[in-house]
Amino acid sequence: AQSVTQLDSQVPVFEEAPVELRCNYSSSVSVYLFWYVQYPNQGLQLLLKYLSGSTLVESINGFEAEFNKSQTSFHLRKPSVHISDTAEYFCAVSPTSNTGKLIFGQGTTLQVKP
Amino acid sequence: EPEVTQTPSHQVTQMGQEVILRCVPISNHLYFYWYRQILGQKVEFLVSFYNNEISEKSEIFDDQFSVERPDGSNFTLKIRSTKLEDSAMYFCASSQAGRTGTEAFFGQGTRLTVV
Repeated sequence: AQSVTQLDSQVPVFEEAPVELRCNYSSSVSVYLFWYVQYPNQGLQLLLKYLSGSTLVESINGFEAEFNKSQTSFHLRKPSVHISDTAEYFCAVSPTSNTGKLIFGQGTTLQVKP
Repeated sequence: EPEVTQTPSHQVTQMGQEVILRCVPISNHLYFYWYRQILGQKVEFLVSFYNNEISEKSEIFDDQFSVERPDGSNFTLKIRSTKLEDSAMYFCASSQAGRTGTEAFFGQGTRLTVV
């Protein structure tokens, strides 16, 4: 079985400050890793994913996440946040042998303040 | 840009009533999913559906739940006799292929309130 833990339910940060949203997972099998974002009144959108290869993956809007197998982590970072980054962020895993089922963490609300 | 559409956005129903949540997946997608999120808790997988049958379901997806693709465009989740604990946000998702890693596109969700 797999589980995902997002330790921070809310992360307040000032605009242009760096941010890290933490994600740890537990799994007895190989998994793929994902970050989804949910803006207010919208559905979940894929932000970035790790399938294989380089352990550092990037999104088009400046977020990056690094897969750390030894620490079973997939933390999300951004060096300088914008007001528009205010949203809920979900970390998720999916077994590599599966049909696409995602196992989500509890979510972290990123609140960017001016 | 193609998107997954869910209706209604908010549904209020009395305990014991049947409810149907509707989803229109992206047209060329083949795999369909339902997830739910109880307020303050994790987004939980309910069921995946491919080729007109359930490919995987969670322990939550008991006999009171059913899914159907009644025509070429809709994908529905039916709850036969709603309970208070069914109150949650329900998300529909679809993907082109079920191979993990293929992006799943999510709808905006239906907030179900059972009173």
